[in-house]
Amino acid sequence: NAGVMQNPRHLVRRRGQEARLRCSPMKGHSHVYWYRQLPEEGLKFMVYLQKENIIDESGMPKERFSAEFPKEGPSILRIQQVVRGDSAAYFCASSPTGGVLLSGANVLTFGAGSRLTVL
Amino acid sequence: TQLLEQSPQFLSIQEGENLTVYCNSSSVFSSLQWYRQEPGEGPVLLVTVVTGGEVKKLKRLTFQFGDARKDSSLHITAAQPGDTGLYLCAGAGAGGTSYGKLTFGQGTILTVHP
Repeated sequence: NAGVMQNPRHLVRRRGQEARLRCSPMKGHSHVYWYRQLPEEGLKFMVYLQKENIIDESGMPKERFSAEFPKEGPSILRIQQVVRGDSAAYFCASSPTGGVLLSGANVLTFGAGSRLTVL
Repeated sequence: TQLLEQSPQFLSIQEGENLTVYCNSSSVFSSLQWYRQEPGEGPVLLVTVVTGGEVKKLKRLTFQFGDARKDSSLHITAAQPGDTGLYLCAGAGAGGTSYGKLTFGQGTILTVHP
């Protein structure tokens, strides 16, 4: 029973390139959250998706960032024209339902993260 | 913006000492989680508290949720070097959000010296 799988674990990009981060949720989980952890800062919410729907993208920068969770395949966080300030660890988390009580059968499980370095 | 203030940011203690980490907010949360994060890894859930005033124990760790569900504490008894790590509190449901969108504290880096 694999956990939340994120890849790549490490990604190096030059300024102006695109970064694509993938997240495969736990089996049976249809709710995905993306968080960003900047150096020396806590985790910040970016976006919440269900299959084929973006539910809450209030934490996403208005430009260059997009996310999707297609019917088939992993969730993708895409960053276009990366800048040095995008260097961070990006974490994906999944849960079986979208409920707010993250306990019991609705535990939120985090992946190991994708660490993006922009040169 | 809902904020979760976590303190202290750094804690360096000797093996065998006790410690407490605090998380405080002006917002009410539906549930509050405590995580531990190792370098290069994602947060791993330690406990979830849901009811105001709730106390949960996990071996030497005691977690408490404030009566008003705005604050929480993590107390470690007789700390061991294996407790060293980053501890994060996170609240869900602030502002009436009905899904598991988390607001994280800044984290506490705990170092336990043998």
